[in-house]
Amino acid sequence: EVQLVESGGGLVQPGGSLRLSCAASGFTFSSYDMHWVRQATGKGLEWVSAIGTAGDTYYPGSVKGRFTISRENAKNSLYLQMNSLRAGDTAVYYCARVYCTGGVCYFDYWGQGTLVTVSS
Amino acid sequence: SSELTQDPAVSVALGQTVRITCQGDSLRSYYASWYQQKPGQAPVLVIYGKNNRPSGIPDRFSGSSSGNTASLTITGAQAEDEADYYCNSRDSSGNHLNVVFGGGTKLTVL
Repeated sequence: EVQLVESGGGLVQPGGSLRLSCAASGFTFSSYDMHWVRQATGKGLEWVSAIGTAGDTYYPGSVKGRFTISRENAKNSLYLQMNSLRAGDTAVYYCARVYCTGGVCYFDYWGQGTLVTVSS
Repeated sequence: SSELTQDPAVSVALGQTVRITCQGDSLRSYYASWYQQKPGQAPVLVIYGKNNRPSGIPDRFSGSSSGNTASLTITGAQAEDEADYYCNSRDSSGNHLNVVFGGGTKLTVL
């Protein structure tokens, strides 16, 4: 059974840092691209970052230069290092697995999310 | 701003058919995937590719695409279909790791 379990969320002051983790199980982690997606309370889903199987990374402009996605295949783990946090980064952060076939890619598994609150 | 545009809210009478749309330039080249999200829960994939349903998703859910618009249709909506629905696809770069979500559509079943 595929499982994704996020951890590391919590309360952090503006300007602070936080590292999120996502523990993966039930599949060959190294063979899949992985993403972080966040959702502020009452708002929609927002893509935060992606990492390919080769370690290539991608970010939207809203977090580029502040967030760093990484993976440790030996530990079946995905990470998100978040620096220079702002109130607008307050959200539930989900890790999600991407499955691609024939050029079609989609998020087939999601974690339950971890809440990050940026407040003084 | 999102590169995929959805109507913020749609309603449907119980048992009737509803279509939820998603517009964006990238949809001319790439399929959208659709996710259902109920309060307090993680999103769940309901449609991907041309018109594919994951195991466990009822066949009343279907997908289609034309031009720059992708659509999710629920034929015979049930009370349990009341949820937020999000489309997702590649962004204008076309890289499969650069993605974007629509703003979401809140579906109310009357």
